[in-house]
Amino acid sequence: DAKTTQPTSMDCAEGRAANLPCNHSTISGNEYVYWYRQIHSQGPQYIIHGLKNNETNEMASLIITEDRKSSTLILPHATLRDTAVYYCIVRVGLGNTGKLIFGQGTTLQVKP
Amino acid sequence: ETGVTQTPRHLVMGMTNKKSLKCEQHLGHNAMYWYKQSAKKPLELMFVYNFKEQTENNSVPSRFSPECPNSSHLFLHLHTLQPEDSALYLCASSQEVQGKNIQYFGAGTRLSVL
Repeated sequence: DAKTTQPTSMDCAEGRAANLPCNHSTISGNEYVYWYRQIHSQGPQYIIHGLKNNETNEMASLIITEDRKSSTLILPHATLRDTAVYYCIVRVGLGNTGKLIFGQGTTLQVKP
Repeated sequence: ETGVTQTPRHLVMGMTNKKSLKCEQHLGHNAMYWYKQSAKKPLELMFVYNFKEQTENNSVPSRFSPECPNSSHLFLHLHTLQPEDSALYLCASSQEVQGKNIQYFGAGTRLSVL
């Protein structure tokens, strides 16, 4: 089973920041948090990942709480093309034998 | 374009047919994965190959038979499938680099079993 819980759906106005929360209260000390998104009927796309520090890349920012029990993905200026299902995943295991266990994710609807 | 190519994109087959799904990655990765995504359900990991060796079989029925002839190619051979096997089948590849392991997914094969 997935080690994360996310809201089923969220709306966001175009141009505003989208903040997607995720709870992972049973995360272990060496397990990374990964975020992917899946636009309708396409393969999932990697967004960002982190262990304990906040991370930022060209797509998004990831804020991880100090106790590592939750995190927030931030899309700073959401566009209509950001409408997708967003998956927060705790990667279980190490190396190439590590696994991504997908949950239901959050369906983000960006509205004009 | 993710560097992971799946063919065919769509497949319709009868329950008595035999077909194969193909996945090819141009990323130089040494791990490849098959996932199944049924309607309204999360992605389910089916198989993992690491350096051409199968390291994970997630209790997949034997009517699904994977093959990994080299690190760039992965096949999923299908025979005597059931209608409930209709789903999006996704392939991914990855390589561990300094603790970072990003899986790159193909666009998937949409399978319909009649």
